Parts: sequence; C-alpha cells; structure tokens
Amino acid sequence: SYVLTQPSSVSVAPGETATIPCGGINIGSRSVHWYQQKAGQSPLLVIYFDSDRTSGTPERFSGSNSGNTATLTISRVEAGDEADYYCQVWDRDSAHVVFGGGTQLAVL
Amino acid sequence: DVQLLESGGALVRPGGSLRLSCSASGFTSGTSFDTSAMSWVRQSPGKGLQWVAAISGGGDYIYYSDSVKGRFTISRDNSRDTLSLQMKNLRAEESGAYYCVMDRRQQVNLFQGFFWGRGTLVTVSS
Repeated sequence: SYVLTQPSSVSVAPGETATIPCGGINIGSRSVHWYQQKAGQSPLLVIYFDSDRTSGTPERFSGSNSGNTATLTISRVEAGDEADYYCQVWDRDSAHVVFGGGTQLAVL
Repeated sequence: DVQLLESGGALVRPGGSLRLSCSASGFTSGTSFDTSAMSWVRQSPGKGLQWVAAISGGGDYIYYSDSVKGRFTISRDNSRDTLSLQMKNLRAEESGAYYCVMDRRQQVNLFQGFFWGRGTLVTVSS
C-alpha cells in the first residue's frame, strides 16, 4: 500500500524555522494531515487538508503539498514545539489510512 | 469539546481475545457521534502511529489494515455514542496504546483525526 516517508529527526534553534517533509509518490494529488504528539500525550491534529490550521494551531504552523513532498513548516520555533510530528493521508487504492513514520523535532 | 474515553485494555496472552470500547461525549452544535467517522489507531511503545480500523458515521463502511483483517472487528452503537474493537488471536507485536479517533465528517475517505482519546493499553505477553 501507499508509503509516506519522513526523516526520523529534525533539529532547529529557537526562533528559527523548522521544515518537516513527508514524501510519497504523487502526494500532491492527495490531502495530507499533520499531527503533533508531545511526550506522554495523545496526538493532536494541527494541519488538515494540506494547509488548514485547526482552531488551536498557532499561525506559526503552515503546510504545503506539491509533487512528491508535503511539508510542515514551523516558523519562529519555540521550546514548546518540541514533539513528534506525523503526516497522514487516506489511500483510496487500498482504502487504508496511512501514517508516516514520524519526525522528532528537537529544539536545540 | 468532544471527549473520547477508551476502556478495556489489559494483559492478554498471545492468541487471546480482548474487546476495547470508546465512549464519546461533549458534543456541541454541528457535531454528533452518528455523523462522525471513527478509527482505532495503535502506538507500540516508542514507535509511531499505526492505523488499525475505521468505520463511517452510519456504520455502513468499514475498513481494516491488512495485518488485522479477519481477526479484528470494529463496530459502533450510535444510540449509545460508543465505538468498539473486538480483537481475536492477538499477537505480541500488537501491544501498545490503542487510541479512539474521531473525524468531523461522516465518510472515512479523507479521514482526519480531529479528536483523540487518551488511549487504553493492551499488552500481549505470555
């Protein structure tokens, strides 16, 4: 079935911009959703339909999707953004919900 | 806000069975259990998220991951705002936290997990 590929970790200094990619064949033709999971907590939807922020998501979070890569961008990163981030799509061919392997964001 | 409360997690031997439940509450205008697609998502210790099964708001469309198809059964009781997962022939690698997840739409396609429970822990071990 469809595979989503994420780097295992991304590091960024406070105040800088973090970019978390999610790769998949022709992912630009699919709707991508992003989740944030802080240590010891349940996942939280932060971006849906590629670039829509949920009501509680800061404007510093944005999403894009084109070609073979979807991207979650976090501007002016704060220590509180440290978490695991997962991308997710619906694969219509297999009728499966598919998650990426997750990216651990470290704020140095 | 919507609250999802899972229950039923336990220690079970390989090959055993277990039934998980999820009770939903806190619906406001524009949201209701019977118009919301639901999923179960598993997370093994220190690992990523793994989708297990999904069901449409009316219960008429059901989907399973390849690894659980034929052994797990997802169901819902819209009169009680409850989601269930019957698990049979459990394997050690299926240990982990099982999350109940709700979309805001009726259909499973394009599923987005807007609401998540805190999870219930399943341990499959002899």
